[in-house]
Amino acid sequence: SAVISQKPSRDICQRGTSLTIQCQVDSQVTMMFWYRQQPGQSLTLIATANQGSEATYESGFVIDKFPISRPNLTFSTLTVSNMSPEDSSIYLCSAGADYGYTFGSGTRLTVV
Amino acid sequence: QQPVQSPQAVILREGEDAVINCSSSKALYSVHWYRQKHGEAPVFLMILLKGGEQKGHEKISASFNEKKQQSSLYLTASQLSYSGTYFCGTNTNAGKSTFGDGTTLTVKP
Repeated sequence: SAVISQKPSRDICQRGTSLTIQCQVDSQVTMMFWYRQQPGQSLTLIATANQGSEATYESGFVIDKFPISRPNLTFSTLTVSNMSPEDSSIYLCSAGADYGYTFGSGTRLTVV
Repeated sequence: QQPVQSPQAVILREGEDAVINCSSSKALYSVHWYRQKHGEAPVFLMILLKGGEQKGHEKISASFNEKKQQSSLYLTASQLSYSGTYFCGTNTNAGKSTFGDGTTLTVKP
């Protein structure tokens, strides 16, 4: 299965600012996914990113707050915009298909 | 809709067996299992596709009952390294996944 490099691994940001998280996959994948996970809780899907089309967002997540780019089949970014303390969480990207899914190492975001 | 995992938590001694269940109210295309250790990302264990057979990975195996939309993860002769939170992810098609709330497994010496 694919190997995903995600960065940054952690960041502390001021409220009102934005942070862009990057994920690089070592092979071409059709779909990439962005999740949010609060400590001790399950994974919540933010959006699905397909190359060449706009991302598909889940209920409760909007493009203005979480813009996503997918310029090619090996790379994607998620931006957390106009951050507030409620955005503090772990953000993970994932890629895969019927052979299985791989996660990036995660970005631990703290908004102060 | 989120799949339901059971039990929520289980404590074992080394060498004991455990079963973790995952059930969905929707017709499933695939079920996949992960183990996550504290502070780390989930690690993929295996995926079971509709029409597929039971799968195994060392002493960890899983089954998928399509009629009941249920999957079970079997941990045999558990080791200390098996400790962590196990998540099932379910797909109703070859696309996005929905995850259960997780089962915390603690293996004691």
